[in-house]
Amino acid sequence: SQQGEEDPQALSIQEGENATMNCSYKTSINNLQWYRQNSGRGLVHLILIRSNEREKHSGRLRVTLDTSKKSSSLLITASRAADTASYFCATATSGTYKYIFGTGTRLKVLA
Amino acid sequence: DAMVIQNPRYQVTQFGKPVTLSCSQTLNHNVMYWYQQKSSQAPKLLFHYYDKDFNNEADTPDNFQSRRPNTSFCFLDIRSPGLGDAAMYLCATSRPRGSISTDTQYFGPGTRLTVL
Repeated sequence: SQQGEEDPQALSIQEGENATMNCSYKTSINNLQWYRQNSGRGLVHLILIRSNEREKHSGRLRVTLDTSKKSSSLLITASRAADTASYFCATATSGTYKYIFGTGTRLKVLA
Repeated sequence: DAMVIQNPRYQVTQFGKPVTLSCSQTLNHNVMYWYQQKSSQAPKLLFHYYDKDFNNEADTPDNFQSRRPNTSFCFLDIRSPGLGDAAMYLCATSRPRGSISTDTQYFGPGTRLTVL
């Protein structure tokens, strides 16, 4: 399977703490994206990082990309209860229009 | 607002009874995707269209078919739903620049399919 792997599978933290999730993938990519999904709902796009970028910030989100290791991380700083959701990375496979999703991290932020 | 719309949001069908799920977009994007997402799993790509060019994933069952009559609409047909096809079905669009995908995907809210 081409599916990416994410770790941890589940993460439980206290409000105000930082949350870090990691994503590894298998193919060459054009970009990598992170999405959030609340239980039973659709996917919400969070941030996109292109293959020639190493780090990107958006509000409380920080994404890094290491194409030599085929890995990315998502850091959520000062987490809030509303951040409780599943987080997925998705890679745009080079030379195609295909996006492959990682296995996801379930984040629970305790108030 | 431009968006991706899926109808219905909830669909109940009987084992073996054909069902069609609908997706429409006002973004005028070239590419439309269908994903299947089972409980606590990642979305799994079933197929995608670049304009009218259909691209099937190798492991998508023959039971799943798709139609894209125009830029705005795309349909997912499940010819003989089984219990294992109960899932959330997500439609997405993107607008690649040139020959590669460089843009984000825009997702609809999904259709939750129940098979009795």
